Amino acid sequence: AQKITQTQPGMFVQEKEAVTLDCTYDTSDPSYGLFWYKQPSSGEMIFLIYQGSYDQQNATEGRYSLNFQKARKSANLVISASQLGDSAMYFCAMRLYSSASKIIFGSGTRLSIRP
Amino acid sequence: DAMVIQNPRYQVTQFGKPVTLSCSQTLNHNVMYWYQQKSSQAPKLLFHYYDKDFNNEADTPDNFQSRRPNTSFCFLDIRSPGLGDAAMYLCATSRVGITEAFFGQGTRLTVV
Repeated sequence: AQKITQTQPGMFVQEKEAVTLDCTYDTSDPSYGLFWYKQPSSGEMIFLIYQGSYDQQNATEGRYSLNFQKARKSANLVISASQLGDSAMYFCAMRLYSSASKIIFGSGTRLSIRP
Repeated sequence: DAMVIQNPRYQVTQFGKPVTLSCSQTLNHNVMYWYQQKSSQAPKLLFHYYDKDFNNEADTPDNFQSRRPNTSFCFLDIRSPGLGDAAMYLCATSRVGITEAFFGQGTRLTVV
């Protein structure tokens, strides 16, 4: 089965603190990619970061880093120094290259940053 | 400039009246996706095209159809909308070799 699991429906974090959003996945495909997207209340989907299954190094993009643990099938998003503008819904997604590049999403985590 | 454009942004349709949502892209990506997203839920993949090859999800109702007449355009047809089909519909594009899927702004469908 191909599945993305996000076990944190909602999180509250104090501004300037770091936060980790959990994501685990299940696939038997050897070649896949993992994404994180941010969806603010406006509804747009904003790409944050990508990790390929064969990448040796964890991906980083500014304040975002992806803690990729392949053996545990986890791809947690770490946001350093959180800001009020980080309040949004966060989705983990998986792209399956052997399934015609199908992309499936987890259920999401609603992150709220407290001032 | 927007690279994935969905029209219209808001669509109101009557129960049972066929409706078509459109998506166009200027990125020349070979993969195009349609997602249904209900309030506070994850985007649910309905189907996607890899080039001209149509890939349907097993749990997508027959009421939902799609057409891709060329690389740039993709349409979502809902043959007989029910109240449960009210949702945001998202179109996305990608291609092998890039690490991002690009999303349109979505079409919010209301069924009355």
